[in-house]
Amino acid sequence: AQSVTQPDIHITVSEGASLELRCNYSYGATPYLFWYVQSPGQGLQLLLKYFSGDTLVQGIKGFEAEFKRSQSSFNLRKPSVHWSDAAEYFCAVGPPGYSTLTFGKGTMLLVSP
Amino acid sequence: EPEVTQTPSHQVTQMGQEVILRCVPISNHLYFYWYRQILGQKVEFLVSFYNNEISEKSEIFDDQFSVERPDGSNFTLKIRSTKLEDSAMYFCASKGGRSTDTQYFGPGTRLTVL
Repeated sequence: AQSVTQPDIHITVSEGASLELRCNYSYGATPYLFWYVQSPGQGLQLLLKYFSGDTLVQGIKGFEAEFKRSQSSFNLRKPSVHWSDAAEYFCAVGPPGYSTLTFGKGTMLLVSP
Repeated sequence: EPEVTQTPSHQVTQMGQEVILRCVPISNHLYFYWYRQILGQKVEFLVSFYNNEISEKSEIFDDQFSVERPDGSNFTLKIRSTKLEDSAMYFCASKGGRSTDTQYFGPGTRLTVL
């Protein structure tokens, strides 16, 4: 069965500092990988996704993620965090030709001035 | 940009009552999903729906749950007899016909069972 681990429940980053949110997955083959963001009262918005090809993927709002097969990881990064990035971030996996998504528990990002 | 909508945003019900959560998926999408998120826990898959039938369901989706696409636009989740542990945020999602299409999520319905 597939699973996703996001080891950090909360992360606090100063505005302007760089950010890395960790995600590890368990799956028998290379899954489809996703990062979603959830702002308070909002639904889940897709930041980026990886299906195949270049292991560094670019997303919206200046985010990027790197798929590392050897580490079963798909960490999310942003070089300079803005206060508006404060939200909860979810990593998710789906099987190739995916139908359903399996989510991690999420990481709450707090941005300090 | 098209979006998935859900109503109501918050539903309060008594234990044992039936509830229907409503979703309007993006109009040309073919796959529809329900997920739930119990407070403080991860988002969990409940059921997927394609071509007017359930294509996949989780062990959470027992006989108390049902889904329906009653017309060309709505997609509903019914909980027949709610329990306290059904209290959660319920998300609807929809996806186009290609395997690489993105799942778009609605804003969720917070269900509180008293």
